[in-house]
Order: sequence, then structure tokens, then C-alpha cells
Amino acid sequence: GDQVEQSPSALSLHEGTDSALRCNFTTTMRSVQWFRQNSRGSLISLFYLASGTKENGRLKSAFDSKERRYSTLHIRDAQLEDSGTYFCAAEAGANTGKLTFGHGTILRVHP
Amino acid sequence: AQTIHQWPVAEIKAVGSPLSLGCTIKGKSSPNLYWYWQATGGTLQQLFYSITVGQVESVVQLNLSASRPKDDQFILSTEKLLLSHSGFYLCAWSLTGDTGQLYFGEGSKLTVL
Repeated sequence: GDQVEQSPSALSLHEGTDSALRCNFTTTMRSVQWFRQNSRGSLISLFYLASGTKENGRLKSAFDSKERRYSTLHIRDAQLEDSGTYFCAAEAGANTGKLTFGHGTILRVHP
Repeated sequence: AQTIHQWPVAEIKAVGSPLSLGCTIKGKSSPNLYWYWQATGGTLQQLFYSITVGQVESVVQLNLSASRPKDDQFILSTEKLLLSHSGFYLCAWSLTGDTGQLYFGEGSKLTVL
């Protein structure tokens, strides 16, 4: 089965509100990354975490450092330009070269 | 600064025809290189990765092959396209010796008719 379970699959937010995306892993992961896919289809890297939390502007991500079985992406004060598809991707083993992606969250921010 | 360039941007090809997609990395020596595929509306699936020239590991077999003829170049190809090959192909790189953080190219959209 899937190693990475991403939720929700779709999310609709009013401008100015906060929300969070989550990825659960069926096995212990070494690291996690979060991406936003732009309208062209390319993936923009938001965060890379081997542990702990990182923050960048209105975005904040956390990776469970104890059991390494989930990660979250928090969006604060959502703006229209945050709309898009968000993916998490996790790596299980060191230097395996293999990232497993979640199925994505389609985020729509509306006025 | 590192740049990653993919070509072509988009292709429309007939079933049974050959395909070659390319990816070039500038500004980083000996990167790890990756090919990913995304079906329309789907998630991303890793196809191949390479840690050095001439060495390519297959992750998922989709009747495609990959080669790394130069340190900064990664090629994805097939001699006979299938309808199921349609989708979006993304090349990515990471630092040598550590898959760590991946950086993606702009992608190539393939439509097989």
C-alpha cells in the first residue's frame, strides 16, 4: 500500500484564514519535503526537513522528530496566490534516491 | 547559481513513435539526477535516478529507459511510445551523496495519440 497518505485531498479557504495539510507515513521516514505545483506543472520546493520545524513567511512545516511518521504544512493568513496543488514527499532510507510522493492537496483560496 | 533545463517543453507524438526527453544541469558538478512522471491529475512517481555518469538505476519500469551520457545531462527515451506514456515528466537534481532536497526542472508535457 501507499507509504505516504496526504490529507485533505482538496481544501477551500477564505482569504485570511489558517489551515494545515498533513502527511502520514506508514513507515519511519528519514526526511520530508513539501512542494507547490505551479500552473505550468513545475514543483516549487517549500521545505526540506530532516527533523523539527521550519518557517518561511506565512508557511510553516513540522516533521515529527520522535517517530518520524508524520509531517504538517501550516498556512497562515491564506492569500489568493497560495492556490495550487501541494505535495509532500518522503525518503525512507539514506541515499536510496527514492522519494515517495503523497497524492497531493488541491488548495483553493477565495475572496 | 544552479539551473536546470528540460526539453522539449511539450510534445505530441503518435503511438509507436520514438521519444527522447532531455535535462541539463548547470552550476553543479556531479549532482544526483532523477526522472519523475506524473499522469494527468495524479501523483508523482520516480522512474530513474543516477548518481554518476553512465550509471542509472531504474525504480519503476514503464517501457522507458534513461541514460546519463555526461555529468550534467540526463536523457529519458523509448523506441516505441504507448498511450500510457502520456503525462508530465520532471527532471530533478540533488547534491552528491545525499538525496536530501530535490530541485525540479520546469517539466515536459507529453501527449501520445
